[in-house]
Amino acid sequence: EAEVAQSPRYKITEKSQAVAFWCDPISGHATLYWYRQILGQGPELLVQFQDESVVDDSQLPKDRFSAERLKGVDSTLKIQPAELGDSAMYLCASSLGSGRWRETQYFGPGTRLLVL
Amino acid sequence: DQQVKQNSPSLSVQEGRISILNCDYTNSMFDYFLWYKKYPAEGPTFLISISSIKDKNEDGRFTVFLNKSAKHLSLHIVPSQPGDSAVYFCAAKEGNGSSNTGKLIFGQGTTLQVKP
Repeated sequence: EAEVAQSPRYKITEKSQAVAFWCDPISGHATLYWYRQILGQGPELLVQFQDESVVDDSQLPKDRFSAERLKGVDSTLKIQPAELGDSAMYLCASSLGSGRWRETQYFGPGTRLLVL
Repeated sequence: DQQVKQNSPSLSVQEGRISILNCDYTNSMFDYFLWYKKYPAEGPTFLISISSIKDKNEDGRFTVFLNKSAKHLSLHIVPSQPGDSAVYFCAAKEGNGSSNTGKLIFGQGTTLQVKP
């Protein structure tokens, strides 16, 4: 069964350091999403790509976060510099179409980030 | 402004009995709803969905009910099994439209414990 792959699974870093997360969506999926989930809350969208284009990055803290999906396949999310409040689970998801219709988003296992 | 709310942080049920998880929403533009299940240290797994043109959707032991007038949906699990113990997230998205990116809005989650 096709899955969304993410790495690393766990990351511990010190504040002010740079961190990067990688995601490989299900093959053929056009839309890729990065979510952040803080403990006790539901996932919140950070950025959405359709192919290589950003569709929605309204909730991405652009002073420290960046995301790219250069060839419209895999994607990288970067935080520089990391802050204590960035400690969370970072989830990647993908969907087959544009995401605008009634289709399912499939999630990867996530990257658990701890900032010390 | 929480557009999707799961007001019960936790629920405990005996094995074999029915589990009922509730979700309320405020945005009348939502027309597609999904339930995800999440185990610790894993990403959310899609469980079942329902579109606004239906009031019920069933898949095995899982049934989702939608009451549009009350802006309320519920997930019924019958019979509940210990393996169902997880965090359950309700999510919603707006209907297809020119300004709609298909973003999922998640509730805070309900932790279900099924006791043997």
